[in-house]
Amino acid sequence: RKEVEQDPGPFNVPEGATVAFNCTYSNSASQSFFWYRQDCRKEPKLLMSVYSSGNEDGRFTAQLNRASQYISLLIRDSKLSDSATYLCVVNNDYKLSFGAGTTVTVRA
Amino acid sequence: NAGVTQTPKFRILKIGQSMTLQCAQDMNHNYMYWYRQDPGMGLKLIYYSVGAGITDKGEVPNGYNVSRSTTEDFPLRLELAAPSQTSVYFCASSYANSGANVLTFGAGSRLTVL
Repeated sequence: RKEVEQDPGPFNVPEGATVAFNCTYSNSASQSFFWYRQDCRKEPKLLMSVYSSGNEDGRFTAQLNRASQYISLLIRDSKLSDSATYLCVVNNDYKLSFGAGTTVTVRA
Repeated sequence: NAGVTQTPKFRILKIGQSMTLQCAQDMNHNYMYWYRQDPGMGLKLIYYSVGAGITDKGEVPNGYNVSRSTTEDFPLRLELAAPSQTSVYFCASSYANSGANVLTFGAGSRLTVL
């Protein structure tokens, strides 16, 4: 079983729509969780950390469910600029495991 | 403030050649990492370092070597290049603190082995 698994998508959504996707992880002892964003042929960049109580950053909401070992990302009021691949990242003793990414394409 | 700088950005190697990918960070981060990313795959950890003089293997270390003589620099050496090493290589660094481990990545080095 992969350490981190994501639905690869692509999720094709119109501007203004809401899109949500999940990521599952295999190590129940994982300490911290993140969503990174990667634009085509660019380096990943931190989008947001994921906290147990759930957290928002503008139009982005992240949730963590430790019991079921998944994290989620929801994007509200999608913009064209949200088109990217979203990487789920799980931290185990300072070694990060990356999912293969979920691709989101927002169309006008 | 340059962050993480990788060189070269692109390189084509012939099978059996060797080369070094350079990585330097100016943020005084203690942790540094090398990842490779193949199309449609997640980033795979090659090697990492928790400080000068200390390195350790990640998931896919075969065919690579690293050194960490200074806090700033973490070069990745490819010996006897093989087509399977065709990939995009990312160097990253972090100031790991209390389990929070936010990575800053370099722009990547795209390597093709023919």
